[in-house]
Amino acid sequence: EVQLVQSGAEVKKPGESLKISCQGSGYSFTIYWIGWVRQMPGKGLEWVGIIYPGDSDTIYSPSFQGQVTISADKSISTAFLQWSSLKASDTAMYYCARGPLTTVTPYFDYWGQGTLVTVSS
Amino acid sequence: EIVLTQSPGTLSLSPGDRATLSCRASQSVTSNYLAWYKQKPGQAPRLLIYGASSRATGIPDRFSGSGSGTDFTLTISGLEPEDFAVYYCQQYGSSPGTFGQGTKLEIK
Repeated sequence: EVQLVQSGAEVKKPGESLKISCQGSGYSFTIYWIGWVRQMPGKGLEWVGIIYPGDSDTIYSPSFQGQVTISADKSISTAFLQWSSLKASDTAMYYCARGPLTTVTPYFDYWGQGTLVTVSS
Repeated sequence: EIVLTQSPGTLSLSPGDRATLSCRASQSVTSNYLAWYKQKPGQAPRLLIYGASSRATGIPDRFSGSGSGTDFTLTISGLEPEDFAVYYCQQYGSSPGTFGQGTKLEIK
């Protein structure tokens, strides 16, 4: 059974750093994209970026380039999304999702349960 | 990047009705690489359709996708109570992938 299990909810202060995780199981982690999707409170889905764990090829949305870093450790089948200096506007639910190797970027066929990030002073 | 515009913003229908949701792209979607997702409150999105018209595993055949180029449609025939949710389209033919803003399907 394919599963993506994300790390737990986080409460942080502005300016702090954070790294959240997404562990895949039940499939070959290195041959599917892992994507990150933001959903701000009461809002829609936003494509943050994707990583191909096999070679760490990474693509960011221009809206998120330079604001976050996506990485992966294939030895533990885990992808990461990190911030060096959080802002209140980073408050959101963050989903990871698996993407088949189809074209330049993937659709997402399995999703994690989401990690709620709250940034407040 | 490609901008996807979904309409209507909210659709009010009754169980048993037919729902038609639209997704229009600002430029042609490469190879009709267009997906649809359903999201219920407090849950992660779920893939319904990929490649504009292919149903994902386990998705009932009352869900169908159609369209090409810049205009795509998700049709739900015979609405069930569990179908009332928010629906998003996503294009994945160009980088970055982008989502539409969503259509809320609510019970009338």
